[in-house]
Amino acid sequence: ETGVTQTPRHLVMGMTNKKSLKCEQHLGHNAMYWYKQSAKKPLELMFVYNFKEQTENNSVPSRFSPECPNSSHLFLHLHTLQPEDSALYLCASSHPRKNTEAFFGQGTRLTVV
Amino acid sequence: GESVGLHLPTLSVQEGDNSIINCAYSNSASDYFIWYKQESGKGPQFIIDIRSNMDKRQGQRVTVLLNKTVKHLSLQIAATQPGDSAVYFCAETPQSNSGYALNFGKGTSLLVTP
Repeated sequence: ETGVTQTPRHLVMGMTNKKSLKCEQHLGHNAMYWYKQSAKKPLELMFVYNFKEQTENNSVPSRFSPECPNSSHLFLHLHTLQPEDSALYLCASSHPRKNTEAFFGQGTRLTVV
Repeated sequence: GESVGLHLPTLSVQEGDNSIINCAYSNSASDYFIWYKQESGKGPQFIIDIRSNMDKRQGQRVTVLLNKTVKHLSLQIAATQPGDSAVYFCAETPQSNSGYALNFGKGTSLLVTP
């Protein structure tokens, strides 16, 4: 266990559905991240939050909407997704400084049908 | 743009042998590198890291080597075990506004055979 918990572990949703992914950490970290992992591709950084403020949006389509209500929780709200959005979505957290490792959750396996 | 990439997508080794996984990076200003291991159905797990002021760092059964001249990073696993079978990613901290987010390579799949 890394101390970063993601729910749900698996999610199947239709293209017209709205769903949310949840990430929670109690490691005392103040930086949280969403990554997308597709088959045969590097992990793609989506969003970065430092001290609850979004500091990076890596050209992510607006059908993905992050929310960080506090330093321990991170959400990814999903609506009108496309089949190509099917992937493993990974949450990570770290101390908000350079040159430090990130701790990852187990991920949510998302399938858009 | 800057990138981190892996030389080989798959590596098959026999149990007990040593494994070497390689990684090339292009950002000469990168000063921190990490190796992660990802098992099937799990998120990436930290293995070992190294800062650019070092060229070698050892952990338990693992060694990371950094050659800044040729911008090359390697992970050596001694006496490879079946439990080492996983995908291995190198990552570095790019120069970006985020400052902290890691930039990942594509990954090398390590298969340990009996």
